[in-house]
Amino acid sequence: QVQLQQSGPGLVKPSQTLSLTCAISGDSVSSNSVSWNWIRQSPSRGLEWLGRTYYRSKWYNNYAVSVKSRITINPDTSKNQFSLQLNSVTPEDTAVYYCARIRVGKFDFDYWGQGTPVTVSS
Amino acid sequence: QSALTQPASVSGSPGQSISISCTATSSDVGDYNSVSWYQQHPGKAPKLMIYDVSNRPSGVSNRFSGSKSGNTASLTISGLQAEDEADYFCSSYTTSSTWVFGGGTKLTVL
Repeated sequence: QVQLQQSGPGLVKPSQTLSLTCAISGDSVSSNSVSWNWIRQSPSRGLEWLGRTYYRSKWYNNYAVSVKSRITINPDTSKNQFSLQLNSVTPEDTAVYYCARIRVGKFDFDYWGQGTPVTVSS
Repeated sequence: QSALTQPASVSGSPGQSISISCTATSSDVGDYNSVSWYQQHPGKAPKLMIYDVSNRPSGVSNRFSGSKSGNTASLTISGLQAEDEADYFCSSYTTSSTWVFGGGTKLTVL
């Protein structure tokens, strides 16, 4: 059974960096069969896919256009987890952030983390 | 404006059937064969209910079914139960190798 356990601060100051981690159990961040995603949800923007990282003989990323200049998603193979960094945050980035898995050849998010509410405020 | 349009709310009585539509308003979703549906109870993470338009993951009740006609996908719930009251979201892969979500539909079981 795959489990995704998120961690990170719930309050970030404007202009600073939002950092979250998603620890994986029951699967591997380095698996060739999946990709690892970050999604956020807010009342104003609804559910929004932010980006993903995946391994296919080497590491790849792709990001949503809306955050591409500010986002980094990195794997950490030593801890079997992956992270989200979102730079230069504003109150518009206030949301619940989720990590989620997609299987290769599929387009659905079959496992989700528990969600981390993040507020951007001074 | 989301590339996927859902009704804001639907309702039904226990035992009835309801359908929730998800209409693609952008050609970014391509052939629209990668639609998935999620159920979300308050304060919880979304749960996958349907993938690839009409497939049910193991463990999901067969009261849940999915279909598609043209650029509109639909989630149907038959034999409504109180526990089905939740928000439902559709999602699709896009030709830009990204994902989009619908705005969500609140299902009320009367």
